[in-house]
Amino acid sequence: GQQVMQIPQYQHVQEGEDFTTYCNSSTTLSNIQWYKQRPGGHPVFLIQLVKSGEVKKQKRLTFQFGEAKKNSSLHITATQTTDVGTYFCAGQGGSRLTFGEGTQLTVNP
Amino acid sequence: GAGVSQSPSNKVTEKGKDVELRCDPISGHTALYWYRQSLGQGLEFLIYFQGNSAPDKSGLPSDRFSAERTGGSVSTLTIQRTQQEDSAVYLCASSTSPSPWGYTFGSGTRLTVV
Repeated sequence: GQQVMQIPQYQHVQEGEDFTTYCNSSTTLSNIQWYKQRPGGHPVFLIQLVKSGEVKKQKRLTFQFGEAKKNSSLHITATQTTDVGTYFCAGQGGSRLTFGEGTQLTVNP
Repeated sequence: GAGVSQSPSNKVTEKGKDVELRCDPISGHTALYWYRQSLGQGLEFLIYFQGNSAPDKSGLPSDRFSAERTGGSVSTLTIQRTQQEDSAVYLCASSTSPSPWGYTFGSGTRLTVV
């Protein structure tokens, strides 16, 4: 079955540093989605990428979808304490999403 | 409703008992999903309902797990003869289909089997 790998599992940064998490699928995806889960909360949808090579930005967040539609990345510029949480990628290859294991981001003020 | 509603928010049950978890999706969302999240882990797919189609049950871990969706709206996930390894947060999500806005998750039900 479809597998979605995400690295790193944990990332600790100082406030102001950049952060990147990477996602890789075992199969070609129709789209990839990113979610953020705050500590104690539930996943919240951030964005969906559909096109090969697509790049989207949301303020300090930059999302990329690979040319082969099998990998993706999320980059946060100049992290803030409000960025703390777990970031999940989720690949859609069929009727439902397969989630990666997530990257837990902690930001030291 | 305005969001996906799940109840109860917390459930403690004794090993061997049956439990029912409820999900009330966003009105108009034809797709409904159940996922399970163990502490500090990712989301494990359980089951998917889409309109009147037969559900995709491929993620249910054993025949102790079942789910139904009545009238294309509210869904109930039932776990029979609960085991300690069933302890987790059970998350329900709904979406339009297709959905450029992703899934909307409920706050989950934290199940503890003692």
